[in-house]
Amino acid sequence: DAGVTQSPTHLIKTRGQQVTLRCSPKSGHDTVSWYQQALGQGPQFIFQYYEEEERQRGNFPDRFSGHQFPNYSSELNVNALLLGDSALYLCASSLRGPRTYEQYFGPGTRLTVT
Amino acid sequence: AQKITQTQPGMFVQEKEAVTLDCTYDTSDPSYGLFWYKQPSSGEMIFLIYQGSYDQQNATEGRYSLNFQKARKSANLVISASQLGDSAMYFCAMREGGNNAGNMLTFGGGTRLMVKP
Repeated sequence: DAGVTQSPTHLIKTRGQQVTLRCSPKSGHDTVSWYQQALGQGPQFIFQYYEEEERQRGNFPDRFSGHQFPNYSSELNVNALLLGDSALYLCASSLRGPRTYEQYFGPGTRLTVT
Repeated sequence: AQKITQTQPGMFVQEKEAVTLDCTYDTSDPSYGLFWYKQPSSGEMIFLIYQGSYDQQNATEGRYSLNFQKARKSANLVISASQLGDSAMYFCAMREGGNNAGNMLTFGGGTRLMVKP
């Protein structure tokens, strides 16, 4: 049973560029959340997708956008990259319903903006 | 105000001893859930234990137990019989609202646990 997978593992981009990160949820999960974790800090919630729609959003600018596909996988897009966007980006999947507390994280994508 | 506070940036514990990692939270929602995650140097967040606000008993999962004191708004993680592999960052997190409120987690700043042989 595959867990949450993310690609790529590492990424280096230049200021002003755009980046797309990908996430495949754990088998059977239908909800995907994205988090940004700056060095030495706890993760911060970016947004959550369920039924191909953004359902919740944290305090992040519109430069951060996402998408969920019919197979529940998801993409995180960041436009006009800033140095401060350098972080570990974590994807978490879960199943809507009574056991929604079972939220599993992927290994993350480490983004470096130079 | 911080919603999740972890006051111990770093802690040492001797192998085979028990250790308590502190977490206090702030919410006005009567329905919430509290989580603990372990993050090794590889970066992946590993789910350890969950406590619902209406749960009558403290949660336990193997060597992990959660000391839930609702009136004090604290949810401390107790690790018994520490092992070298327990060395990692530990994060306390909260989800506000019931099961249909979404899965947004608010995390604390974390505690780095180091287990000494």
